[in-house]
Amino acid sequence: AQTVTQSQPEMSVQEAETVTLSCTYDTSENNYYLFWYKQPPSRQMILVIRQEAYKQQNATENRFSVNFQKAAKSFSLKISDSQLGDTAMYFCAFMKRTQGAQKLVFGQGTRLTINP
Amino acid sequence: DADVTQTPRNRITKTGKRIMLECSQTKGHDRMYWYRQDPGLGLRLIYYSFDVKDINKGEISDGYSVSRQAQAKFSLSLESAIPNQTALYFCATSDVAGELFFGEGSRLTVL
Repeated sequence: AQTVTQSQPEMSVQEAETVTLSCTYDTSENNYYLFWYKQPPSRQMILVIRQEAYKQQNATENRFSVNFQKAAKSFSLKISDSQLGDTAMYFCAFMKRTQGAQKLVFGQGTRLTINP
Repeated sequence: DADVTQTPRNRITKTGKRIMLECSQTKGHDRMYWYRQDPGLGLRLIYYSFDVKDINKGEISDGYSVSRQAQAKFSLSLESAIPNQTALYFCATSDVAGELFFGEGSRLTVL
């Protein structure tokens, strides 16, 4: 079974700083996806970024980028030029690549606070 | 309007009551899911469905049941609610590309 671990329950940085959220996972699969989801106080789950394991290039979405280390099973999220609106819970998630149902396995979450 | 709609958004009930959480989607996806979120545990899968005729248990299905009434509708039931089922419940859908689309969540409190 796959497991996802986020070792930082809470983090806090000043606005405009760069912050990195850690995520490690355990799997014997070779084909899979990794995701970072954001959950603001509105509690909506919002996809931030997605990485396909067969792609060596790290995914980037505007101020959000990942450092995907497949051998180390590490998938960290970097937020550059952080903004107050980035305050949220962040969840790392793993999904085995399959033709069937896409079942996500989530980490415990990291509560990120951006201070003015 | 949201693509994935959950009702109710918030509900307080008493131990032993039957509760149904409803989910409807306009994305046309075949795959639908129910997740439960607890502090410090992330989201955990309760049930999922490939299509109307297919229902599968997730990792924490005990105490729950589901019904897939139509492609667009997937409801979660608690036959006899207990306090440790107090949580935030999410419905989600996905297409073959794998991205999940979540509803806004249903917060359930069992007293």
